[in-house]
Amino acid sequence: EAAVTQSPRNKVAVTGGKVTLSCNQTNNHNNMYWYRQDTGHGLRLIHYSYGAGSTEKGDIPDGYKASRPSQENFSLILELATPSQTSVYFCASGDRDWGGASEQYFGPGTRLTVL
Amino acid sequence: GDSVTQTEGLVTLTEGLPVMLNCTYQTIYSNPFLFWYVQHLNESPRLLLKSFTDNKRTEHQGFHATLHKSSSSFHLQKSSAQLSDSALYYCALSLTGGLSGKLTFGEGTQVTVIS
Repeated sequence: EAAVTQSPRNKVAVTGGKVTLSCNQTNNHNNMYWYRQDTGHGLRLIHYSYGAGSTEKGDIPDGYKASRPSQENFSLILELATPSQTSVYFCASGDRDWGGASEQYFGPGTRLTVL
Repeated sequence: GDSVTQTEGLVTLTEGLPVMLNCTYQTIYSNPFLFWYVQHLNESPRLLLKSFTDNKRTEHQGFHATLHKSSSSFHLQKSSAQLSDSALYYCALSLTGGLSGKLTFGEGTQVTVIS
């Protein structure tokens, strides 16, 4: 069974503060992803990674940075948090698959509130 | 860019009646991979079913969908709704031939099944 964990599960931050969301996977998957989930927008890709040391911009990267220091860990960083970044954030992992059929396994999510 | 459209945001169904959730997509690529993910309350999204083959029915856990490239559609169906089918359903698109496995999600359809 795929195992993706996230920490913290809940976070309250102040506007202008720095927030780091962490993700760990024990699946030995090459690819990892960060999404945010908002009603009316679905799941939107923020950043993704092909492997340790790589980060790529997704569809909505503005205001976010990512870091992939190892195969297992992928962090999302909000340097200057804003109330518009209040959301639920999901991390996911998946195999590298030329066919495009790879399933993504999601973590439990982090609920972030920026006041 | 690529996009996925789910026309129903909220669907309320009566137990025992059929389910059909609409999904259409847009991409310039001729070989997309289509997915349905399901997210139950307070859980994370998980894969329900996926397809790559044109005009071939794919089934899983009582649900089925058929990819029709001619109409760019991948509608989700079930013959008889159960209370446990109440969940958020996402249609998603991936492109074959790439390493990233990136998914483009629709906005989601919230399904409530009542008795």
